[in-house]
Amino acid sequence: DVKVTQSSRYLVKRTGEKVFLECVQDMDHENMFWYRQDPGLGLRLIYFSYDVKMKEKGDIPEGYSVSREKKERFSLILESASTNQTSMYLCASSSGDNYGYTFGSGTRLTVV
Amino acid sequence: QKEVEQDPGPLSVPEGAIVSLNCTYSNSAFQYFMWYRQYSRKGPELLMYTYSSGNKEDGRFTAQVDKSSKYISLFIRDSQPSDSATYLCSLPQGAQKLVFGQGTRLTINP
Repeated sequence: DVKVTQSSRYLVKRTGEKVFLECVQDMDHENMFWYRQDPGLGLRLIYFSYDVKMKEKGDIPEGYSVSREKKERFSLILESASTNQTSMYLCASSSGDNYGYTFGSGTRLTVV
Repeated sequence: QKEVEQDPGPLSVPEGAIVSLNCTYSNSAFQYFMWYRQYSRKGPELLMYTYSSGNKEDGRFTAQVDKSSKYISLFIRDSQPSDSATYLCSLPQGAQKLVFGQGTRLTINP
């Protein structure tokens, strides 16, 4: 029973490309989040959204943007991919009732 | 100072051992504490949460909070190879946002 689905497990993109990472949740959660996970740095919040068409910057938003046109879908956009954006990207969602996140399986992005 | 700090390990113990995983945090206002478990090539999953101080037990897992020391712990009794994973502590950073420790990579050897 998959609840948070990330469209790709592995992606390889070239420097300068515009990259779209898609995330869909089927739990009717209000909140959605994008994190990146790097060795030695842990999970860092890029962007989050509390509602449709609403977005807030996290701790490391530079070089990223997001889109939330529908409640169930939250997209992360790398405007011009760079090698320092090579990372594991994790999408998560949560209801407004508690802090328990449900994560997707992650997208491992390599920028060459 | 980071809001939450966690020794990344790696930590390797024999099967059956008691495992202690720890985090420290800086903001004394934190009231809600969580542990996530992340298997290799998977996203983290919520393992346990506790509110305020004290202990919470769930099977072989015990979460402990010491607010006076700003210290949270996760104990695993009778550890199994299936417990091999990365364990992340987590605390609320604001409305519905979480801040995570670096994660401790744990290996249980048969």
